Amino acid sequence: EVQLVQSGAEVKKPGKSLRISCKGSGYNFTSYWINWVRQMPGQGLEWMGRIDPSDSYTNYSPSFQGHVTISADKSISAAFLQWSSLEASDTAMYFCARGDYASGRYYIPLRSWGQGTLVTVSS
Amino acid sequence: DIQMTQSPSSLSASVGDRVTITCRASQAISYSLAWYHQKPGKAPKVLLYAASRLESGVPSRFSGSGSGTDYTLTISSLQPEDFATYFCQQYYSTPYTFGQGTKLEIK
Repeated sequence: EVQLVQSGAEVKKPGKSLRISCKGSGYNFTSYWINWVRQMPGQGLEWMGRIDPSDSYTNYSPSFQGHVTISADKSISAAFLQWSSLEASDTAMYFCARGDYASGRYYIPLRSWGQGTLVTVSS
Repeated sequence: DIQMTQSPSSLSASVGDRVTITCRASQAISYSLAWYHQKPGKAPKVLLYAASRLESGVPSRFSGSGSGTDYTLTISSLQPEDFATYFCQQYYSTPYTFGQGTKLEIK
C-alpha cells in the first residue's frame, strides 16, 4: 500500500527556519514525483512545486520560488519542504502528494496524499 | 499561469439531488483536469482525472465531462457523505492550478 506520512505539527516564531518531511513507503520512492501543496486557513489549494527524487530535479511555482526549498533524500525515502525565515503568512496546512498512472496510461499528478502538516507561525 | 475559475463557490442541496459544478480554464487544457473532494481536516481525494475518468473506488454517481476550456463535475444523486468541498485542478502545465473550491452543504 502506498503511504505518504508527514511530520507533525509545528509552531514557530517569525524569522525562524523550519523543515518538514514527507516519508514514502510501499513503492519505489525514486519512481514518482513528490509535490507540495499549501492550504491557508479556510482557503483553497495552491501547488508549490515538485521534486523528482531520483535526481532531486525541482520545479517551483513562481509564487513560491525563492521562499521555500524542496529537497529529497532517496536513501531514506523522504522529501522535505524548508523555510530559512518564516513569516506569519506561512501559517497553513502543507500537504505532500505523489503522482501516479491510472490504467497504465493516464498520469494523475496528485493521486496519493499525505495527511498534512500544520505550520503555525506566531510571535 | 493557467487560471481556473470554478463555480459556484457554495451550493446548498438535499440528499438525492443532482448537482453540477463547473470549471473554466483561461486556456485550453486538453482534458488535463482532475476533480477532488475534501472534508474538514483531511487531505483532498481524487474523484476523476483526465476530465471524465473515474478514479478506482469512487462511486459511479460521480461523473465528469468537458473539453477545451470548460469542464463539469456532476453528482447524480447526492449522498450524505458527499457534503464536502470540491476542487478542480489543471495539470496541462506547471504551475498546476486549482479552482477556488465549491462548498457543498446540506439544505
